[in-house]
Amino acid sequence: NAGVTQTPKFRILKIGQSMTLQCTQDMNHNYMYWYRQDPGMGLKLIYYSVGAGITDKGEVPNGYNVSRSTTEDFPLRLELAAPSQTSVYFCASSPTTGASYEQYFGPGTRLTVT
Amino acid sequence: GNSVTQMEGPVTLSEEAFLTINCTYTATGYPSLFWYVQYPGEGLQLLLKATKADDKGSNKGFEATYRKETTSFHLEKGSVQVSDSAVYFCALGYNFNKFYFGSGTKLNVKP
Repeated sequence: NAGVTQTPKFRILKIGQSMTLQCTQDMNHNYMYWYRQDPGMGLKLIYYSVGAGITDKGEVPNGYNVSRSTTEDFPLRLELAAPSQTSVYFCASSPTTGASYEQYFGPGTRLTVT
Repeated sequence: GNSVTQMEGPVTLSEEAFLTINCTYTATGYPSLFWYVQYPGEGLQLLLKATKADDKGSNKGFEATYRKETTSFHLEKGSVQVSDSAVYFCALGYNFNKFYFGSGTKLNVKP
């Protein structure tokens, strides 16, 4: 059981470049999330999805886009990379059932924009 | 609003020392509370959770009790090991899209 997987693990982008961060989960979770973690800070929610075809903005969505065509995949797109997007990005998922809404995290993608 | 406040780190302890990491929260309603642990270079892993007042979550020797009267969820361990060195995040959640993390507390355990 792989859980939540993310690729790539590391990436360096030049300002203005674009890229897609991949996220896949094999737990059949309906809910998926993208967070960013800046140094010394907690996690901030970028986008989330409640199921295939349904996405919504979180706390810090500017500069990002997402899509959810399948239950398993939830890619995050950076269109015009800026230095402010240098961060560690975590994808997470959670099950629909259960009262606790606990989230399961991938290993993260460390992105540097120069 | 909803928020989580954790004690600032880093916390440095000797092996076998007692650990407390303070966490207090502000929330409307009745959230579930969590402690996540992040080892170097890895993602967050759920350490323990409590879903209602007075519940005690426990795992790997760590404990935390959901205290509604003091809005706290302090993490404790009786005897830390070097392998416990990590960053610990307190979080609250009461809906699929309402999940709030503290800023994390780094723990360093010296042999």
